[in-house]
Amino acid sequence: QQPVQSPQAVILREGEDAVINCSSSKALYSVHWYRQKHGEAPVFLMILLKGGEQKGHDKISASFNEKKQQSSLYLTASQLSYSGTYFCGTEWNSGAGSYQLTFGKGTKLSVIP
Amino acid sequence: NAGVTQTPKFRILKIGQSMTLQCTQDMNHNYMYWYRQDPGMGLKLIYYSVGAGITDKGEVPNGYNVSRSTTEDFPLRLELAAPSQTSVYFCASSYSSTSYNEQFFGPGTRLTVL
Repeated sequence: QQPVQSPQAVILREGEDAVINCSSSKALYSVHWYRQKHGEAPVFLMILLKGGEQKGHDKISASFNEKKQQSSLYLTASQLSYSGTYFCGTEWNSGAGSYQLTFGKGTKLSVIP
Repeated sequence: NAGVTQTPKFRILKIGQSMTLQCTQDMNHNYMYWYRQDPGMGLKLIYYSVGAGITDKGEVPNGYNVSRSTTEDFPLRLELAAPSQTSVYFCASSYSSTSYNEQFFGPGTRLTVL
């Protein structure tokens, strides 16, 4: 089942913060975050595994609450380069030791000067 | 390394025509995937492969076929194209199980069926 992302879209001024949420009705093994710029391929940001760990690089971080089956992506002091559509991918066991990602519909983030 | 390459970049098909979307990766990845992306709908998994000779259906396999004869190549075949197959198609690869490995995406093929 497709995870639900919120908000669907957000507009920020440079330097502002944003949070993007991702929730699933299925038990999750991990959550992946990707960013896609217009007309380009999705690019990997980070993976969060079961255990509630928080990860981050630069000013983008994320958390994973496996009990609530939710993940949040935090963008701090946003830059123009952060603009794009952010997708969460939730991982589930498709059988025989194989795992699949199911992606949300995406959150469109626009950073303006 | 070129990463994941896809050809063609753009294609227009007439209803009922067939075509093959090519995907090649040079990272020696075992896992390969085909997704389609429709506006506002995210990425939907069509087929995936966990190694040469092994393929399986994803969420939206109808109207498509795949094969994996080598580690590097994972072509997607469209038989009897329909307007509902108008979409952007992405091929991706990962070294191993999704849990610990990011997926690397190709640049995409934009397909229009008229």
